[in-house]
Amino acid sequence: KNQVEQSPQSLIILEGKNCTLQCNYTVSPFSNLRWYKQDTGRGPVSLTIMTFSENTKSNGRYTATLDADTKQSSLHITASQLSDSASYICVVRENAGNMLTFGGGTRLMVKP
Amino acid sequence: DAEITQSPRHKITETGRQVTLACHQTWNHNNMFWYRQDLGHGLRLIHYSYGVQDTNKGEVSDGYSVSRSNTEDLPLTLESAASSQTSVYFCASSAGLGTEAFFGQGTRLTVV
Repeated sequence: KNQVEQSPQSLIILEGKNCTLQCNYTVSPFSNLRWYKQDTGRGPVSLTIMTFSENTKSNGRYTATLDADTKQSSLHITASQLSDSASYICVVRENAGNMLTFGGGTRLMVKP
Repeated sequence: DAEITQSPRHKITETGRQVTLACHQTWNHNNMFWYRQDLGHGLRLIHYSYGVQDTNKGEVSDGYSVSRSNTEDLPLTLESAASSQTSVYFCASSAGLGTEAFFGQGTRLTVV
């Protein structure tokens, strides 16, 4: 069964600090991996997409990495801001179709 | 601007009642999806549609139905609401295979 596991489940950091969120997946065959940000009471919004051939991709203060061999991805947030407080969801698409497998998310709280 | 909207945002209903949640998108996307989000689980797929008159069951379809009579709308119906269906429901749409899914704001449904 396709699975996406995220760690940690929750994280509290001080404003201005960096953090890294982890995503491990067993989805096969792999098509792409997206990181979504979900603010409280809102729907998820895509931050970045990683395809098989990409190792690193940045979107402002967000940098995603992908190791397709070990089936791991990370999302690094630099110089965190209060507005980064949200859930971050790793979503993997399998190559065989249009189906997505969602991780349980990491709930990040940035404190002043 | 094109968007995807869900209504209502909040709903309280009684066990056994039929409930319909609306989803409307203005992107002219072919693909539309319904997910539920519960604590301890990633988003789980309920039903999806790849076009008008096309509907398919997802991972957790029991007790739910959808219909696709036009491109813009995919209403989700709970035939006889149960307490286990208390959840936050998200509708999403995408243009085609492998493309980004855009999510609505969510509907919080409480079955009492």
